[in-house]
Amino acid sequence: RKEVEQDPGPFNVPEGATVAFNCTYSNSASQSFFWYRQDCRKEPKLLMSVYSSGNEDGRFTAQLNRASQYISLLIRDSKLSDSATYLCVVNAYSGYALNFGKGTSLLVTP
Amino acid sequence: DTGVSQNPRHKITKRGQNVTFRCDPISEHNRLYWYRQTLGQGPEFLTYFQNEAQLEKSRLLSDRFSAERPKGSFSTLEIQRTEQGDSAMYLCASSPEGSSGNTIYFGEGSWLTVV
Repeated sequence: RKEVEQDPGPFNVPEGATVAFNCTYSNSASQSFFWYRQDCRKEPKLLMSVYSSGNEDGRFTAQLNRASQYISLLIRDSKLSDSATYLCVVNAYSGYALNFGKGTSLLVTP
Repeated sequence: DTGVSQNPRHKITKRGQNVTFRCDPISEHNRLYWYRQTLGQGPEFLTYFQNEAQLEKSRLLSDRFSAERPKGSFSTLEIQRTEQGDSAMYLCASSPEGSSGNTIYFGEGSWLTVV
């Protein structure tokens, strides 16, 4: 079983829609959680960290449920520029490596 | 540009040849990481350096792979006797001391195609 599991999608949504991505992780000792965004053939870039209390950054809201080992990302009012792959990332037990999910592909259409 | 720099950006090589990638981290970042990403997958951790010391290696890093960071600045990743399965994007990242995942910066990657 992979340490970080995501639905690969693709998610095709119209502009203005709300879309949610989910992710589960297997190592209960994981300490840090993130969502990264990756555009086609580019490097991954940090979108936001994820905290147990939930956190919001503009149109993006991230939630963490440690008991269920579940992470979510909600994107409101989708823009064309949101089209990308969203990677769920968990800090590995060793503390050095990041464990990435396969990514969820989002396409926002006009 | 003071970001993480990787060279070459693209490499096409014949099976069985050796290739070497170079990574120049953000200056004063003492932590350096190598990841590999194949199509349809997320990046997979390969190895980690703190200064010049290689502190962690993934089991993905077979005997054909070797990474060095001789003076604690730039790093090289060498793949010997390349195989078609080595075709991937090789990502280098760096971070400062005491960082967690929110201060790791990736380079643009080095694309390897083995034919």
